[in-house]
Formats: sequence, C-alpha cells, structure tokens
Amino acid sequence: DAGVIQSPRHEVTEMGQEVTLRCKPISGHNSLFWYRQTMMRGLELLIYFNNNVPIDDSGMPEDRFSAKMPNASFSTLKIQPSEPRDSAVYFCASSRVTGFAPEAFFGQGTRLTVV
Amino acid sequence: AQKVTQAQTEISVVEKEDVTLDCVYETRDTTYYLFWYKQPPSGELVFLIRRNSFDEQNEISGRYSWNFQKSTSSFNFTITASQVVDSAVYFCALLDAGNNRKLIWGLGTSLAVNP
Repeated sequence: DAGVIQSPRHEVTEMGQEVTLRCKPISGHNSLFWYRQTMMRGLELLIYFNNNVPIDDSGMPEDRFSAKMPNASFSTLKIQPSEPRDSAVYFCASSRVTGFAPEAFFGQGTRLTVV
Repeated sequence: AQKVTQAQTEISVVEKEDVTLDCVYETRDTTYYLFWYKQPPSGELVFLIRRNSFDEQNEISGRYSWNFQKSTSSFNFTITASQVVDSAVYFCALLDAGNNRKLIWGLGTSLAVNP
C-alpha cells in the first residue's frame, strides 16, 4: 500500500491567494483527518471525516478554511484567502477508526508558507 | 475530560543510554486505545504502537518497549541502548471508543541522542 499521499509537499504563496491541499487516504480506511502543526500550538485537529461525511470541524480556525471529501479516495483542504499566520505543516491522516485497529496513518505533510 | 500529559518536554541522552518517555492519560471511558508516534527531524509522523485498554500486556519490539499500567493511567515508552537515529519528537495519544473518536494528543517529548 502506498500510504497516505499528500500534495504538494511544499507550497509558498502570497498573502491573499487561495491554497488547496490534497490528500489521498489509504484504501479501505473509513476516516480521514486534517491536522495542522506549528511550533506554537503543536498538533491541532482541524476536521475529521467518517465515511466521507464531516463529523467534527470545530478545529477549523475560521471561515477562510474549508474541507471537502467528495469520495472515499480524495479530500481537499482549502484556505481562501491565505494569511501569513496560516503558515504551518498540514498533515492528512486516515484510519479504520471503527475497527479494532484504529491507529491513524499520516501523510508526509504539506509545508505551507504564506508570505 | 480526556487528557494526555507528557511531562518531559525535552530529554537529552548519550548514545547507548536507556531512556524512558512518560505518558499519563485521563479518561472516563472503560474502552480506549493508546498510541505512540515518532516524528523524526524529517517531519513525518510514524505510528509505533497501539495498546487497547483491555490488554495490559507489555510489549517489546527490538530496543523499544512499552509499559501500560491502568492503575496509574500510564503508558510509558522505553528505548534501550539508544541510538542517534532515535532522536525525534515522540507523541503519546489517546482515542476513546465512544462516539467522539478524536485522538487526544500529548504535547510530545523531544529526545536528543548524542553520540
């Protein structure tokens, strides 16, 4: 299995631009998570999907952030408009959270820099 | 409320020393899962181990061992004969088996193994 695949690995953009991060979960996993990691706040859960349905988006910082999961094999996290404080590493993870092996497997992350 | 505490922010050891990373958790659930993840300097988050609440057996994998004690709500991680490649941030996490299946993360312990 290829694992969780995220793209791009690195993104540098100007303030005000739209940014779209992409994630392909592990085949057969029914849950998908978007995390943000910064030095100041550590790992933060942004949103969590189960069977393609958003279950908890309480971690999404504000309306500039949106996430979609149109099917079981693809999800996007969009920031519009981006701001310098959005600079962070964004991780996507997937798991079979309803099974007995609920561990999440993470992608390599997208390092976002907003200048 | 659920909580994971990793009291050790940073640990520095010399190669070949044994080192134990502490993890204390809080939960009211009777069924839950505990995890350890490793984040090396390259940045990816690597799943190391899962322990189910109903299985208190300790586990050993090579130089790594885990001590799960429900009586003290602890899930400690020991690296025997540490190596430079063990240098990383290690995260402990808790997942309850109820409706809210969000991972609760500790803040991580940064381990530096010096030659």
